[in-house]
Amino acid sequence: AQSVTQLGSHVSVSEGALVLLRCNYSSSVPPYLFWYVQYPNQGLQLLLKYTTGATLVKGINGFEAEFKKSETSFHLTKPSAHMSDAAEYFCAVSDGGAGNMLTFGGGTRLMVKP
Amino acid sequence: GAVVSQHPSRVICKSGTSVKIECRSLDFQATTMFWYRQFPKQSLMLMATSNEGSKATYEQGVEKDKFLINHASLTLSTLTVTSAHPEDSSFYICSASPREGLNNEQFFGPGTRLTVL
Repeated sequence: AQSVTQLGSHVSVSEGALVLLRCNYSSSVPPYLFWYVQYPNQGLQLLLKYTTGATLVKGINGFEAEFKKSETSFHLTKPSAHMSDAAEYFCAVSDGGAGNMLTFGGGTRLMVKP
Repeated sequence: GAVVSQHPSRVICKSGTSVKIECRSLDFQATTMFWYRQFPKQSLMLMATSNEGSKATYEQGVEKDKFLINHASLTLSTLTVTSAHPEDSSFYICSASPREGLNNEQFFGPGTRLTVL
């Protein structure tokens, strides 16, 4: 069984500050890891994903995440927050099996203060 | 590429009526489609997994007779909420997993907001 824990249901940063959203996972097989962003009343948009290879993954909108196997973590970062980054962020894990079923974390709402 | 659409985007219905939501993969064939439900300020809850031409697999606690899923083709899955009640009001999101290529990913639709009066 797989699980995902996102520490902090709400994170507030000032515009221009570092964004750090935490994600820890558990998986019995090498995981595929994803970060999605959701704006109000919209579906999910993929920010980035890790499957194999380089552990530092760069995504859209200046976000990146690093897969750390020893820490079972996949934290999402962005050097400088922008007001448009305010949204809900979901970390998810898949075992890459049939259909690529995802297990989602509880989500983190990012608020950006001017 | 890899676009998923949902229709309608919003629906309001009276209690006791049935509502059908369509999920289409516009530019790829999807072997598997997923239906999620999301309550306000909460994460996505997987309701069921459907594969083209076979019966859907429902998650524990999801009533299959209430939430009817039909995956009739490789580009279309439908979710019908039968005899809807106010507690069924929610945001329903579908996703699709491609038949080939991009095989580590699901692509999400924009969601359907269901309000049952």
